[in-house]
Amino acid sequence: KQEVTQIPAALSVPEGENLVLNCSFTDSAIYNLQWFRQDPGKGLTSLLLIQSSQREQTSGRLNASLDKSSGRSTLYIAASQPGDSATYLCAPAEHGGGSQGNLIFGKGTKLSVKP
Amino acid sequence: NAGVTQTPKFQVLKTGQSMTLQCAQDMNHEYMSWYRQDPGMGLRLIHYSVGAGITDQGEVPNGYNVSRSTTEDFPLRLLSAAPSQTSVYFCASSPQDRARPQHFGDGTRLSIL
Repeated sequence: KQEVTQIPAALSVPEGENLVLNCSFTDSAIYNLQWFRQDPGKGLTSLLLIQSSQREQTSGRLNASLDKSSGRSTLYIAASQPGDSATYLCAPAEHGGGSQGNLIFGKGTKLSVKP
Repeated sequence: NAGVTQTPKFQVLKTGQSMTLQCAQDMNHEYMSWYRQDPGMGLRLIHYSVGAGITDQGEVPNGYNVSRSTTEDFPLRLLSAAPSQTSVYFCASSPQDRARPQHFGDGTRLSIL
């Protein structure tokens, strides 16, 4: 059974810092890995998707890497802003669920960026 | 473009009552799924569907039924509500394409008394 761990569980940083969120998973047989953002009381917003054949993806100040063989992914946030405060969720897509794959979620990293 | 729409947003039920959580998407996505989110547990998959007429169980299917009669709709039915089903429920959809991300609704917050 796929197990997903996110470290740290919570993080508080001053505005402007570069930071790294970590995700590890136990089964490397994945279709892709997705990073989401969740604001309090809201749904999930997709940030980045890395396919199993890729090593990284970038979107603006966000960069996600994937090392499938070691079961690790990192989300790098450059020049953090108070608006980045949210919970960040990592979810590899395991085989099954047709060709899309079913997502298995970590418990998230709650990020607080102080002005 | 509405995306994934979940109704209701909030609901309070008594133990033993039944109800249906609605989920609709207007993106012609083949894949749809239901998750529940509980404090300290993360999101867990309840049921999913890869197309109209096809459904399958996820990690925590007990106490829930689903059907998929159209591409657009994927309702989740609680047969006899129990306090353990108090949770936030999310519906998601995506194309059957592993290069495309899943889109989530805003959730239904359900309390069972």
